[in-house]
Amino acid sequence: QQQVKQSPQSLIVQKGGISIINCAYENTAFDYFPWYQQFPGKGPALLIAIRPDVSEKKEGRFTISFNKSAKQFSLHIMDSQPGDSATYFCAASNSRRTDSWGKLQFGAGTQVVVTP
Amino acid sequence: GAVVSQHPSWVICKSGTSVKIECRSLDFQATTMFWYRQFPKQSLMLMATSNEGSKATYEQGVEKDKFLINHASLTLSTLTVTSAHPEDSSFYICSAIRLVNEQFFGPGTRLTVL
Repeated sequence: QQQVKQSPQSLIVQKGGISIINCAYENTAFDYFPWYQQFPGKGPALLIAIRPDVSEKKEGRFTISFNKSAKQFSLHIMDSQPGDSATYFCAASNSRRTDSWGKLQFGAGTQVVVTP
Repeated sequence: GAVVSQHPSWVICKSGTSVKIECRSLDFQATTMFWYRQFPKQSLMLMATSNEGSKATYEQGVEKDKFLINHASLTLSTLTVTSAHPEDSSFYICSAIRLVNEQFFGPGTRLTVL
């Protein structure tokens, strides 16, 4: 059973547009929510992360919005560029549980294609 | 960001042979590393948690005698795929934790078993 549900599966956006990827979780014990970017044949790279005491975090063109009551979080890529074309994974973990410390529960991934 | 390396980046082997993949944290010490496998167009599947100085913890369904993990030091973990078969062909990725929850991934190793 997937603990983090991610949508959409794929996304096509024009250069300069906004890419939005959504994730939902059930486990209220999760307290760390990172986003990873993965290019074909490469390992995932940490993009941005948020904790539940913050509703929004922005780093450059990337913004995470977090809704604790709805148990949802999303990634917004502003002014999308062709170089942003990649697969994006959301994830969640529970840092307080010692038997699963650091374990990430990944979403299924979203393939983003930015057209010129 | 923190740097995690993997070696080799790709390997082709014959069925029945064993293959060792190394994962190193280059600029930080990691008491905990993870091993994942990823099939094309799919998410990462956690195989095991590697802890320095102790036995690895395997996820349900992962054969510990087939995927041997050794975390010899605070900067090195190895995954050995024993008696590899074509169905073991996959993209293997390691990760290391630098601070609480900060997990950095290696570049991955493409294993092809003929």
